[in-house]
Amino acid sequence: GDSVTQMEGPVTLSEEAFLTINCTYTATGYPSLFWYVQYPGEGLQLLLKATKADDKGSNKGFEATYRKETTSFHLEKGSVQVSDSAVYFCALGANNAGNMLTFGGGTRLMVKP
Amino acid sequence: ETGVTQSPTHLIKTRGQQVTLRCSSQSGHNTVSWYQQALGQGPQFIFQYYREEENGRGNFPPRFSGLQFPNYSSELNVNALELDDSALYLCASSEGQGGYEQYFGPGTRLTVT
Repeated sequence: GDSVTQMEGPVTLSEEAFLTINCTYTATGYPSLFWYVQYPGEGLQLLLKATKADDKGSNKGFEATYRKETTSFHLEKGSVQVSDSAVYFCALGANNAGNMLTFGGGTRLMVKP
Repeated sequence: ETGVTQSPTHLIKTRGQQVTLRCSSQSGHNTVSWYQQALGQGPQFIFQYYREEENGRGNFPPRFSGLQFPNYSSELNVNALELDDSALYLCASSEGQGGYEQYFGPGTRLTVT
């Protein structure tokens, strides 16, 4: 079945450092790919998405490129802020079982001033 | 535009009891999905409703059931609660049957003792 694997956290960075959170997936067909962010005590917020190979999703300085050849969708940001501290989830959406989203286990990011 | 809302925020139940969780979808969205998020893990898909019909189900037993109403709000019912049902239950709404771009509510934290 479909699955998503993320790098384990926590990832601890200093403010203004470069961020990469790795995400790889296994899926049949051509899934859509997403990054969601969860702040403490809150639900998930859609951060960015890509619907086909080579698409780049971007939002709030975060970027991720849909790489079909490596089945990856790594999240990057050039300069993180303390306010980016949260848990980040990579997810895929495939047309099975009612358009469900399959999530990775999440990666906690901690940014220190 | 009103986002996805869920009630209650927190709930404590005893093993064997039944619980009903509620969700109001974002304005204009006719599809509601439910997810279970255990502590420290990614969300797991429970089921999805589209126009009052179940549109797909994840790997959850029949004691997890749901409803969607004509105004597209939804309920999640869990019978015969078990300790492992303790989790954050997330509702997400989307537009259309193929809507992978799902918008999440803040969740209901269920504790089973």
